[in-house]
Amino acid sequence: AQSVAQPEDQVNVAEGNPLTVKCTYSVSGNPYLFWYVQYPNRGLQFLLKYITGDNLVKGSYGFEAEFNKSQTSFHLKKPSALVSDSALYFCAVSGYSGAGSYQLTFGKGTKLSVIP
Amino acid sequence: EAQVTQNPRYLITVTGKKLTVTCSQNMNHEYMSWYRQDPGLGLRQIYYSMNVEVTDKGDVPEGYKVSRKEKRNFPLILESPSPNQTSLYFCASSLGDKLWDTQYFGPGTRLTVL
Repeated sequence: AQSVAQPEDQVNVAEGNPLTVKCTYSVSGNPYLFWYVQYPNRGLQFLLKYITGDNLVKGSYGFEAEFNKSQTSFHLKKPSALVSDSALYFCAVSGYSGAGSYQLTFGKGTKLSVIP
Repeated sequence: EAQVTQNPRYLITVTGKKLTVTCSQNMNHEYMSWYRQDPGLGLRQIYYSMNVEVTDKGDVPEGYKVSRKEKRNFPLILESPSPNQTSLYFCASSLGDKLWDTQYFGPGTRLTVL
């Protein structure tokens, strides 16, 4: 079975500074990795995903993520944070459950606060 | 607009009173899934469906039922809700069940069971 760890419950960053939200994963086989964002009182919105190829994946709203196979990490990054980026961020890995069915497994989420 | 819709968005009920949360998608997706979100636990899968009349349990299926009679709809049924089912529920859909398929989420249903 696969798993995802987001080691930081909360990340605070000043507006205009670069931000990083960390994610590590464990999965059998090739990793398929996703980042979602949840704004208050809203559903999850897809940001980006890694399937194969280039280790730097670009996504929506200026976000990107760096895949590192040796460190089993998939950290979310943005060069310059905006106050509007304040939200809850989820990392997820796709794999097969013990019963052999497709499953998307989420981390517990990281709350990002961008301080004006 | 391509979307996943859920109704109701908010629901307060009492223990034991049967309820249904509807989910509908207009993207002709084959795969649909229900999750619950609880603080500190992230999202956990309740049930999923790979196509019409094909459903299976996720990680936390106890106390829930689903059905998939039409491709676009995937209702979540709580036959006898209990307070520990108070949670935020999300429906999601994806084109298929390939590991690289992206799941798209509905706006969520906040359920309180008294």
